[in-house]
Amino acid sequence: RKEVEQDPGPFNVPEGATVAFNCTYSNSASQSFFWYRQDCRKEPKLLMSVYSSGNEDGRFTAQLNRASQYISLLIRDSKLSDSATYLCVVDTGRRALTFGSGTRLQVQP
Amino acid sequence: GAGVSQSPSNKVTEKGKDVELRCDPISGHTALYWYRQRLGQGLEFLIYFQGNSAPDKSGLPSDRFSAERTGESVSTLTIQRTQQEDSAVYLCASSLGQSSNSPLHFGNGTRLTVT
Repeated sequence: RKEVEQDPGPFNVPEGATVAFNCTYSNSASQSFFWYRQDCRKEPKLLMSVYSSGNEDGRFTAQLNRASQYISLLIRDSKLSDSATYLCVVDTGRRALTFGSGTRLQVQP
Repeated sequence: GAGVSQSPSNKVTEKGKDVELRCDPISGHTALYWYRQRLGQGLEFLIYFQGNSAPDKSGLPSDRFSAERTGESVSTLTIQRTQQEDSAVYLCASSLGQSSNSPLHFGNGTRLTVT
């Protein structure tokens, strides 16, 4: 089992739709979780951290489910500019953060 | 420039040659990471530096790969006797401290093409 797993997609959704991605992790001792966004041929950029109680930043909501060992990202009212690859990032107990392979989102007009 | 700076941005080299990639982290960031991303793939961890601690080299794919960091500043990633499978974008990132607490800030990457 991979340390961090994501559905690669692509998720094709119309503008205005709500879309959710999950990411599972294997190390139950993991403490830190992040979502990054990566545009085509660009470097990853931090989208948001994921806190135990869940957190929201505008149209984006992140949740953590420790019992089932997954985190989720919900995007409401999708915009064309949300089209990107979303990377789940987890502290897996190694000294460096571990990245998932990413979920590709394509928002269509 | 407040961000992570990498050079060169693009590098084309012949198979068998050595290459050196450079990373200037954000000032004050004690942690520095190198990742590799092949076309259409996820990020592959290579090496991690944290202050004066011994680096975590567990991700280096072969002994042709090595990296150094001078104090808490510049890092160089060296690939000896390059192979075509080394073609990828090499991303450097830095963070304020321990990886479990601090998000990473990435440079623009070096796109390496081995012909």
